[in-house]
Amino acid sequence: AQKVTQAQTEISVVEKEDVTLDCVYETRDTTYYLFWYKQPPSGELVFLIRRNSFDEQNEISGRYSWNFQKSTSSFNFTITASQVVDSAVYFCALSEGSNAGKSTFGDGTTLTVKP
Amino acid sequence: GAVVSQHPSWVICKSGTSVKIECRSLDFQATTMFWYRQFPKQSLMLMATSNEGSKATYEQGVEKDKFLINHASLTLSTLTVTSAHPEDSSFYICSASCSSYNEQFFGPGTRLTVL
Repeated sequence: AQKVTQAQTEISVVEKEDVTLDCVYETRDTTYYLFWYKQPPSGELVFLIRRNSFDEQNEISGRYSWNFQKSTSSFNFTITASQVVDSAVYFCALSEGSNAGKSTFGDGTTLTVKP
Repeated sequence: GAVVSQHPSWVICKSGTSVKIECRSLDFQATTMFWYRQFPKQSLMLMATSNEGSKATYEQGVEKDKFLINHASLTLSTLTVTSAHPEDSSFYICSASCSSYNEQFFGPGTRLTVL
């Protein structure tokens, strides 16, 4: 069985602060995929990143960066110099390679960035 | 990325009526479609997985007679909430994937309110 834990329910920061959203996962598969999604108030999920289990290289995309560490089963997401528009619910998700496409979601972290 | 649409985007109905939600993959053939339900301030919970031309596989606790899923073509899946009640009010999100992709593409969601 697979499980995703996002221990931070809510985070509040002031604009321009850096913020890290934690994600810890559990799976028995050796092949799996990890995702981060942003869900603004409109409700539509916005895909941010996909990482497969064989690629532990960290990734940076603009103000976003991701730290994947298999040794601790974590896939943390950092927003640098946060902006008000970053306010949203962020979900981490896991898809096992044996059932590609079917994802288990964490409970989400609500990020509020104050001006 | 691939585009998935949902229709309607929101619906309000009276208790006891049935509501049909459509999910379409617009630019690829989706061999598998997923239906999720999201209650306010909660995570996405997978309801069922449907493969084109076969019966849907429901998650534990989801009533298959209440939530009818049809995946008649490679671009269309429908979810019918039969005899809807206020407790069925939720945000329903579909996603689609195919063998070429190791991820799923999400629709914009349908907000159902049952009075």
